[in-house]
Amino acid sequence: AIQMTQSPSSLSASVGDRVTITCRASQDIRNELAWYQQKPGTAPKHLIFAASILQSGVPLRFSGSGSGTDFTLTISSLQPEDFATYYCLQDYNYPRTFGQGTKVEIK
Amino acid sequence: EVQVVESGGDLVQPGESLRLSCEASGFTFNSFWMTWVRQIPGKGLEWVANINQDGSVQNYVDSVKGRFTISRDNVKNSVYLQMTSLRVEDTAVYFCARDSTYRENSRYYDRFDFWGQGTLVTVSS
Repeated sequence: AIQMTQSPSSLSASVGDRVTITCRASQDIRNELAWYQQKPGTAPKHLIFAASILQSGVPLRFSGSGSGTDFTLTISSLQPEDFATYYCLQDYNYPRTFGQGTKVEIK
Repeated sequence: EVQVVESGGDLVQPGESLRLSCEASGFTFNSFWMTWVRQIPGKGLEWVANINQDGSVQNYVDSVKGRFTISRDNVKNSVYLQMTSLRVEDTAVYFCARDSTYRENSRYYDRFDFWGQGTLVTVSS
């Protein structure tokens, strides 16, 4: 199975900060990567697919980039509602695999 | 309004079986792949299984192959996860999600766009 490694595991940031989360795949997955946001006690929310395409309704401060093995999720100006845990997910092959998550906390 | 509602979670002993259900509404159910994802409380997400629109294709994570079976009933707009030989490490919240697969050229991209609230499975003696 393809291993997905996110970094950092957690970070502290302030409202208005630019935040970048990275995800590395153990093999080339082209651009077949998605990002999800999860808040405590709720189901994940889909943010980005095909590494860089924003799901409908997702704020433009979110962006994704990368291809091959290295990917990033960037929040250009962190808002109070963005404090959550973020997961990458490869959909290049089966079984689908998630990264371990990155928790974004309030500084 | 699109809705996905899981049920069937329970406390069971190791080795026992359990069937989870996921009832969908608000969309044309037989046009979408459906997926199960689980989460150990306080831990990360794990993709478990998916099934195609007519139920003819299923995929599983290795740790559940041979023990779990995903199926669907397009008349009842429901997808199921039959779990047998349950282990302590299967303890988790199980989420059901719709997959709005996006096709571009020859590639297909998963989009788990609607999720249920999850149902808790606890395996303990």
